[in-house]
Amino acid sequence: ETGVTQSPTHLIKTRGQQVTLRCSSQSGHNTVSWYQQALGQGPQFIFQYYREEENGRGNFPPRFSGLQFPNYSSELNVNALELDDSALYLCASSNRAILNTEAFFGQGTRLTVV
Amino acid sequence: AQSVSQHNHHVILSEAASLELGCNYSYGGTVNLFWYVQYPGQHLQLLLKYFSGDPLVKGIKGFEAEFIKSKFSFNLRKPSVQWSDTAEYFCAVNAGATNKLIFGTGTLLAVQP
Repeated sequence: ETGVTQSPTHLIKTRGQQVTLRCSSQSGHNTVSWYQQALGQGPQFIFQYYREEENGRGNFPPRFSGLQFPNYSSELNVNALELDDSALYLCASSNRAILNTEAFFGQGTRLTVV
Repeated sequence: AQSVSQHNHHVILSEAASLELGCNYSYGGTVNLFWYVQYPGQHLQLLLKYFSGDPLVKGIKGFEAEFIKSKFSFNLRKPSVQWSDTAEYFCAVNAGATNKLIFGTGTLLAVQP
């Protein structure tokens, strides 16, 4: 167990809808990153949040947005869902104050867009 | 752009066979390197990591990896696999200030008893 929890575990949405995914970071961690893992692919970096601000973004359109809260938990919001958004969404937390440390991943949210 | 290549997409081995999974990355600067494993139905877990120092890194469950800077490689090895090693293995690189991980496409390992 990593201490990183994500909710919900599974979700089915219709194309054009909006979705919010949630992540609680591991105790002591101040940085949250989100990844999208399509079937048969490795995780792709969406963005990272540190001190409640976006701190780095991958090649994802603006309809992917996020938030980080004072308790370091985070949300990933996706607007205007497309069929290709169907994937496993992973949250990873880490502590930016510690050098040479790794990210710890949650179990993910499986999003299906129909 | 940074990228990670894993050459073996699907590997099938018998128990006690030796394992080597290839990983190459493209980035000219200092990198941190990782191997993560995803067992069926479980979250991504860290197998081992390299930040600096001895290029031969030992991880959990008898896995090791060797960083060869001149070849931009970080291959994963295990002398004798077990059925419980059946999982998907991901090589990842972290370069830059954001701790953003670049993952390879993964290698699905099936170990037959």
